[in-house]
Amino acid sequence: QQQVKQSPQSLIVQKGGISIINCAYENTAFDYFPWYQQFPGKGPALLIAIRPDVSEKKEGRFTISFNKSAKQFSLHIMDSQPGDSATYFCAASSGSSNTGKLIFGQGTTLQVKP
Amino acid sequence: NAGVMQNPRHLVRRRGQEARLRCSPMKGHSHVYWYRQLPEEGLKFMVYLQKENIIDESGMPKERFSAEFPKEGPSILRIQQVVRGDSAAYFCASSPPGATSGANVLTFGAGSRLTVL
Repeated sequence: QQQVKQSPQSLIVQKGGISIINCAYENTAFDYFPWYQQFPGKGPALLIAIRPDVSEKKEGRFTISFNKSAKQFSLHIMDSQPGDSATYFCAASSGSSNTGKLIFGQGTTLQVKP
Repeated sequence: NAGVMQNPRHLVRRRGQEARLRCSPMKGHSHVYWYRQLPEEGLKFMVYLQKENIIDESGMPKERFSAEFPKEGPSILRIQQVVRGDSAAYFCASSPPGATSGANVLTFGAGSRLTVL
């Protein structure tokens, strides 16, 4: 029940294309859903996050779509660029504890081809 | 603002030795979290500490692992009698105190990569 399942494991997209990464969760107590971007040899960096009171959040080329009834959320990267090549992690946490204890997905390695 | 500082960045130990990983949180942050990332896997929560207190250690292995965050100095993750399965990247994250503290203000360090020979 504490798992967050992420797919696909890897993704190759042409420059200018749309990258889509999906995550699913089971614990209905989760109320904060961030996406992290990680480059090789670096720590994860917060990219964008959403709470379940909205169905979509957009920041520049990055959009989170959230489906509360299906317990799924996804990251869309529009106009993908080679500089977007990285590993992306979805995560979830329960605000009731108000801590930085996150449950991470397994990660998606994105390669954007020039 | 130097961010979350972790050292060493790379550590090599032989089986049976001890590993000590250090984390200095961002300035003004008093909450520290340790995560472990095994090869090809996501990050797994290990422990949450505040100054001189362990708040949640539900992700810590029962043996050989310990963590502390003293009143002065960095937080330390200590692994005794390391085994090959301990080889991983260990990330520290910090957040500020107060009601706004939580996952939405979490900042990660660059990690310490432990290799056990």
